[in-house]
Formats: sequence, C-alpha cells, structure tokens
Amino acid sequence: DADVTQTPRNRITKTGKRIMLECSQTKGHDRMYWYRQDPGLGLRLIYYSFDVKDINKGEISDGYSVSRQAQAKFSLSLESAIPNQTALYFCATSGGLFTEAFFGQGTRLTVV
Amino acid sequence: TQLLEQSPQFLSIQEGENLTVYCNSSSVFSSLQWYRQEPGEGPVLLVTVVTGGEVKKLKRLTFQFGDARKDSSLHITAAQPGDTGLYLCAGARASGAGSYQLTFGKGTKLSVIP
Repeated sequence: DADVTQTPRNRITKTGKRIMLECSQTKGHDRMYWYRQDPGLGLRLIYYSFDVKDINKGEISDGYSVSRQAQAKFSLSLESAIPNQTALYFCATSGGLFTEAFFGQGTRLTVV
Repeated sequence: TQLLEQSPQFLSIQEGENLTVYCNSSSVFSSLQWYRQEPGEGPVLLVTVVTGGEVKKLKRLTFQFGDARKDSSLHITAAQPGDTGLYLCAGARASGAGSYQLTFGKGTKLSVIP
C-alpha cells in the first residue's frame, strides 16, 4: 500500500460545484502539504499544515480551503470550482530533518 | 520571480550519452533535494545535499551542491531510457519556529531515446 494515498485519482466536475480531494498517510509525519502542478509552472504550494491545529496558506491559496481532520488526514476543498483550477493536485508529507517530501500519486482534476 | 531556476527546461538525448541539468538561485538554502517524477506519478526523492560543495553519487547519477549553497547540478552518465522523466530540484529554507519550507523549481523534462 502507498504511504500517501490520494482519492480520487481522477475527477471531472462542473464549474461552480464544490469538490473535496482527500489525502491520508501512514508515514506518521506531522507535516502535510497540498500542491498543484501545471505544465510549465512546476509545483506550487496551496496550503500546508505542521500539525493538527496548524493550517497555513501557501503561495496560491485563493479559491481553496483545507481541513486537517487528524494527523494522518488532510483534505483540500474547492468551494466553487472554476476552469482554471484544472490541474494535477498532489498531497505530500514530510517529517525528516531536511524536510524531504513524500508525495501521493496525484489527483487529476478537470473543471468543465 | 522564480526562486529556483532549472535548465534546460527540456532535454532529449540518445541512450548512452552524458548530460547535466542545473538548478540555480540567488538565495541560500539549508539543503537542496532532487526528485524524479514519472508520468502519472508523484515526485520521488532521489537525494538530499546539505553541505556546500557536497557531491553525492547514486549509481550513474552525480549530484553536486554549490559552495555557496545557492545552486546544484545533476549529472547523468551513460543515460538509459529508464532515466526518462521530469527532474525537479527543491530548496529548503527556514520558515520560523524551527520549521523549513520547500520551494520547487519548474523541472527539467528528460527524454532518453533508445
């Protein structure tokens, strides 16, 4: 089983719909992250959490919200999806001394 | 402004050739990591370099951290088709309260042609 599991793997949704992407991890790490990846733009940080009571905005948090339900679970929500949120979304965890990140397999989201 | 600049953005080479990709910044990092990402998968950590001037080898891959800890390079000897993928560098900097933040470059997309 994967250490970092994302669901769903693929999703097509309509503009204006609310959607939640879920992430769970078995690595026992405190730190969890949500990134989006777009061609030519690389990985950009949306939100991050260093423990259950800690939530921080990343560089592109507008239009997104997160919930850290437990140490192992970190979900990302799009309250009202728009087409430019079409992207590949990755959840990651870290716990190492130099913040090595372990990624899930990604969720490909398409907003039509 | 991109904090970490990777070059080249794309690279297509024949099997058996050598190559070097670069990761440059004007900022100093506590450590620098290299990841490889294959289509449909998340990035996977290859190596972390911490000390200025450090060189690490992973089979045919050689990673170097610049003396000033602002840049890094990845050299692949005798590239194989299995080396194909997106190579990402990520720099770690202190973000307060004893924590570190990772910033990723845009990546170098490598294709090794059999």
